[in-house]
Amino acid sequence: EVQLEQSGAELKKPGESLKISCKASGYTFPNYWLAWVRQKPGKGLEWLGTIYPADSDARYSPSFEGQVTISADKSINTAYLEWSRLKASDTAMFYCARTLFFGSGSHKDILSYWGLGTLVTVSS
Amino acid sequence: SFELTQAPAVSVSPRQAVSITCSGDKLGDKFVSWYQQKPGQSPVLVIHQNNKRPSGIPERFSGANSGNTAALTISETEVTDEADYYCQAWDSATDVVFGGGTKLTVL
Repeated sequence: EVQLEQSGAELKKPGESLKISCKASGYTFPNYWLAWVRQKPGKGLEWLGTIYPADSDARYSPSFEGQVTISADKSINTAYLEWSRLKASDTAMFYCARTLFFGSGSHKDILSYWGLGTLVTVSS
Repeated sequence: SFELTQAPAVSVSPRQAVSITCSGDKLGDKFVSWYQQKPGQSPVLVIHQNNKRPSGIPERFSGANSGNTAALTISETEVTDEADYYCQAWDSATDVVFGGGTKLTVL
């Protein structure tokens, strides 16, 4: 059974750094794109970017490039989303999600398995 | 930049059919996926590649995409289908884009 276990909720102050995680199980972690999606309170879904763990090829939405860092450690089947300096406007739920199809050449946007989300609250 | 536009809300009576639309420039040239999200839950993929249903998604969910508009149709809508629905597509310049979402009310 495919499972994506996300790290727990975070309460941080503006300017602080943060790294949240998504631990995968039940499938061959290196060979499926894994994406991060943001959802601000009461708002819609936003694509941050995705990573192919086999070679750590990370792709970012132009809106988020330089704002976050996506990484993966295939030795422990875990992907990460990181901020160096949080802002209050980063307050949101963040989901990791795995693509439907196997392989680097597949549709990296079709997300068939989702984690439960990590709530990040940034407040002074 | 590439954008997807959805109506904020749609309502339907139980057992009736409803279509939720998503519009974008030359959207018919792209593959569209649809996600269902119920309150407090993670999104669920209900349609991919315009009209393909993942395993476990009921046959009453179908999709189409042509011209500038994609549509998710739910035939014989059930109360349990009440949720937010998001369309999604990939564009070479903007990467992956989601529509703003449509809140479906079944009453």
